[in-house]
Amino acid sequence: KQEVTQIPAALSVPEGENLVLNCSFTDSAIYNLQWFRQDPGKGLTSLLLIQSSQREQTSGRLNASLDKSSGRSTLYIAASQPGDSATYLCAVSTDKLIFGTGTRLQVFP
Amino acid sequence: NAGVTQTPKFRVLKTGQSMTLLCAQDMNHEYMYWYRQDPGMGLRLIHYSVGEGTTAKGEVPDGYNVSRLKKQNFLLGLESAAPSQTSVYFCASSYGAGQVYGYTFGSGTRLTVV
Repeated sequence: KQEVTQIPAALSVPEGENLVLNCSFTDSAIYNLQWFRQDPGKGLTSLLLIQSSQREQTSGRLNASLDKSSGRSTLYIAASQPGDSATYLCAVSTDKLIFGTGTRLQVFP
Repeated sequence: NAGVTQTPKFRVLKTGQSMTLLCAQDMNHEYMYWYRQDPGMGLRLIHYSVGEGTTAKGEVPDGYNVSRLKKQNFLLGLESAAPSQTSVYFCASSYGAGQVYGYTFGSGTRLTVV
């Protein structure tokens, strides 16, 4: 059974710091891995999608890496801003999309 | 270009009542999913569909039924609501499980069962 774990569960940092959010999964037989952002009371916004054959994807200040063999992904956020405050979820895709429990990020001015 | 639309956005039910949540997508996606999100437990898959006329069980299917009579719609039914079904429900769709475009989510339905 695929299990997805995210560490840390919560993170509070001052503005400007570079951040690393971690995601691990137990079964390496995945099609892809996706990072989402969720603001309080809102839906999910897709940030980055990494195919199983890829090692990383970048979008603006965000960079996600994937090491499928070790069952790990990291989301790197450069020069964090208060507007980055949200919950970040990773999810792995097999015939279903299985989510981790998320990292709640707070960036204070 | 609406994407994934969920109705209703909010609902309060009494224990034992029934209701149907509607998910509609206008992107011609084959796969559709229903998730529930509870505090501290992340999103859990209830049911999913890999095409019109198909449905399959996810992680937590008990107490729910689904139907996919039309490709663009995926209905989630609660026949006899229970307080344990108080949650936020999200619908999602995708071209396919292994495809490059990822998943598109609706904005959620907040359901309270009293």
